[in-house]
Amino acid sequence: QKEVEQDPGPLSVPEGAIVSLNCTYSNSAFQYFMWYRQYSRKGPELLMYTYSSGNKEDGRFTAQVDKSSKYISLFIRDSQPSDSATYLCAPDTGRRALTFGSGTRLQVQP
Amino acid sequence: EPEVTQTPSHQVTQMGQEVILRCVPISNHLYFYWYRQILGQKVEFLVSFYNNEISEKSEIFDDQFSVERPDGSNFTLKIRSTKLEDSAMYFCASSGLLGNTIYFGEGSWLTVV
Repeated sequence: QKEVEQDPGPLSVPEGAIVSLNCTYSNSAFQYFMWYRQYSRKGPELLMYTYSSGNKEDGRFTAQVDKSSKYISLFIRDSQPSDSATYLCAPDTGRRALTFGSGTRLQVQP
Repeated sequence: EPEVTQTPSHQVTQMGQEVILRCVPISNHLYFYWYRQILGQKVEFLVSFYNNEISEKSEIFDDQFSVERPDGSNFTLKIRSTKLEDSAMYFCASSGLLGNTIYFGEGSWLTVV
C-alpha cells in the first residue's frame, strides 16, 4: 500500500474560486504532514507544515488533517493564476527522506 | 534568500556515458539529498547524505549511482553508465540539523540518447 495517494488531476478552476486539494495516507502513526508546491520544471518548495490535528492557516492557504479518516486537505481561497502548479503532499515519517504523493495538478484560469 | 543551486540545468548524454551532476547546498545545512522525477511521474527519493556518508538510499540508487562531497561546498551525483531510463529531472536538496524542512534546487534535466 502506498504511503500517500493523491488524485493527479488536472483540476481546473476559475480565478477567485476556492480550491480543495486532497491526500490520503496509510499509516496512522504519521503525526506531521507537509504540502509542497511544484511549478512546471522547477523544484518543489515547502508551502505548509502541519500537525495532525485541526487546521493551520497561512494567508490564503489552509491545511486540514482528519486523522480518523487519514485524510489531508489543502484549501486555497481566492485562487490566482499564479497558484497554477502541482501540489504534493508528504507525511513526516520520521525519516529524512520524503515520500511524496504523485501530486495534484491545479490550473487556475484567468 | 539562500538557495540550493544546481549545474548543469540541462545535459544530453549518450547511453553508456558517465554523468556528474553538481549541487551547492545551502551553506549551513548538514543533510543533502538527491531526488529524481521522470517526466510525468512523481518526485522520488534517491539518497540522503550526512556527515560524509550515505544515511539512507532507495532501491533506485543502485551501484551505477554514487554521491560525493568533494569539498566544503559541493555535493555531486555520479551516474556511471547511463541508460535511457535515467532520463529525468534530478533535484538536489538540503536541510538543517533540526526539523525536516527540505529545500530543493531548480533541478538538472538529464536526457540520455
